[in-house]
Amino acid sequence: AQSVTQLDSHVSVSEGTPVLLRCNYSSSYSPSLFWYVQHPNKGLQLLLKYTSAATLVKGINGFEAEFKKSETSFHLTKPSAHMSDAAEYFCVVSLFSGGYNKLIFGAGTRLAVHP
Amino acid sequence: KAGVTQTPRYLIKTRGQQVTLSCSPISGHRSVSWYQQTPGQGLQFLFEYFSETQRNKGNFPGRFSGRQFSNSRSEMNVSTLELGDSALYLCASTGTDGNTIYFGEGSWLTVV
Repeated sequence: AQSVTQLDSHVSVSEGTPVLLRCNYSSSYSPSLFWYVQHPNKGLQLLLKYTSAATLVKGINGFEAEFKKSETSFHLTKPSAHMSDAAEYFCVVSLFSGGYNKLIFGAGTRLAVHP
Repeated sequence: KAGVTQTPRYLIKTRGQQVTLSCSPISGHRSVSWYQQTPGQGLQFLFEYFSETQRNKGNFPGRFSGRQFSNSRSEMNVSTLELGDSALYLCASTGTDGNTIYFGEGSWLTVV
């Protein structure tokens, strides 16, 4: 069965320190993987995506993620957190099945950034 | 290029009423999907439309329905509203790569 696990429901960092949001997936197929960010009262914004090209994917706002097949992980990182990064982050797997793409969402990680 | 546009952004309805939410996908996108987001259940898939046909459906009661028009715009309808239908309803369109999903800002529905 396909699944996505975000290992931390809450992460708290200080401004200027690195961010690590962890995501593990389970899939029988080669998945496409995405990270989305949701700021309060907003929709989901695409941060970055992995679709079997380079394993290190760079996204917007300084975020990047590395696809590690051996570890079935797709962790999101940023070298230096900014106050505006405080939001909820979703790791998403897209699987092509039955003629269409099915999205599986992680439960989300809420990132708090302290001054 | 304009993003996914959802209207209305906020609405309040009374139990038993019905509601219609609208979504305009990104120009050129033909697939539209709908999601319900609540604090308790997270993001749940409602249905997906492609070329005016429902291609996939989540596990929601028949009170939840949708449709897609020839210009790819989509509507979803919830009849006989219940308090538990209070949620953020997100619409998304699929990019021309057939893979990347782009979300709208959502419609906040409060049922009182």
